[in-house]
Amino acid sequence: GQNIDQPTEMTATEGAIVQINCTYQTSGFNGLFWYQQHAGEAPTFLSYNVLDGLEEKGRFSSFLSRSKGYSYLLLKELQMKDSASYLCAVRDSGNTPLVFGKGTRLSVIA
Amino acid sequence: ETGVTQTPRHLVMGMTNKKSLKCEQHLGHNAMYWYKQSAKKPLELMFVYSLEERVENNSVPSRFSPECPNSSHLFLHLHTLQPEDSALYLCASSQGSTKSETQYFGPGTRLLVL
Repeated sequence: GQNIDQPTEMTATEGAIVQINCTYQTSGFNGLFWYQQHAGEAPTFLSYNVLDGLEEKGRFSSFLSRSKGYSYLLLKELQMKDSASYLCAVRDSGNTPLVFGKGTRLSVIA
Repeated sequence: ETGVTQTPRHLVMGMTNKKSLKCEQHLGHNAMYWYKQSAKKPLELMFVYSLEERVENNSVPSRFSPECPNSSHLFLHLHTLQPEDSALYLCASSQGSTKSETQYFGPGTRLLVL
C-alpha cells in the first residue's frame, strides 16, 4: 500500500524558520513533490526531489532521504503570506500519478 | 495565473440534478486529471487522461462520468450525487503522465450537494 504522513498543523513566527516533515511508505519511488495551497485556492508547485539531498529555491528548500522514506520542506524568513497548507506528494513508479498526503496547515504569526 | 481554468467556481445542486464541471488548460499539456479534495482528507485522484485516453480510474462511483473531447478540455459530468460528494473538485494538467512532470492545478469547483 501507499502511506504518506505529515503533521496536521504547525505554527511559526514571522521571520523565523520552519521545517515541515513528510514520511512515506510506497512500493516504489519515482519522485517527491511539495505543493503550497492557500485557503480556497489551487495547489501550486514548489519543489521536486528524486535524488537524495537538498534542493534550494529562494526561501524554500526541500530535502529527500530515499533510504529513510523521508523529506522535509524548509521555509526561511517566514512571511505572513506563507500561511497555507503544504502538501507532500509521492509518485511510487514511473507511470503512476501522484499520491498526496493530507497536508500541513502552517500558520505564521506576528 | 496557472493556465488551467475551471468553471463554475461554485455549484450547489440537489441530489436529482445533472450538472457538468468544465476544465480547460492553455499550456499545451497532454495529460489531465480530476481530483477530489474533502475537508481533512488528502487529495484523491479520480481520473487521469493522457492524450485523450483514460488511463486511470480510481474506483470512482458511476455517478461521476468524465469526458475528454480533446487534450485541452476535460469535463466531469455529475448525476444523482450524494451529500458526501460535496467537496472541492480540482482539475490539473501536466506535459505527460509519467515521472517528473509537474502538475498544474486549476482553481477548483466547490460543490455542495443538498
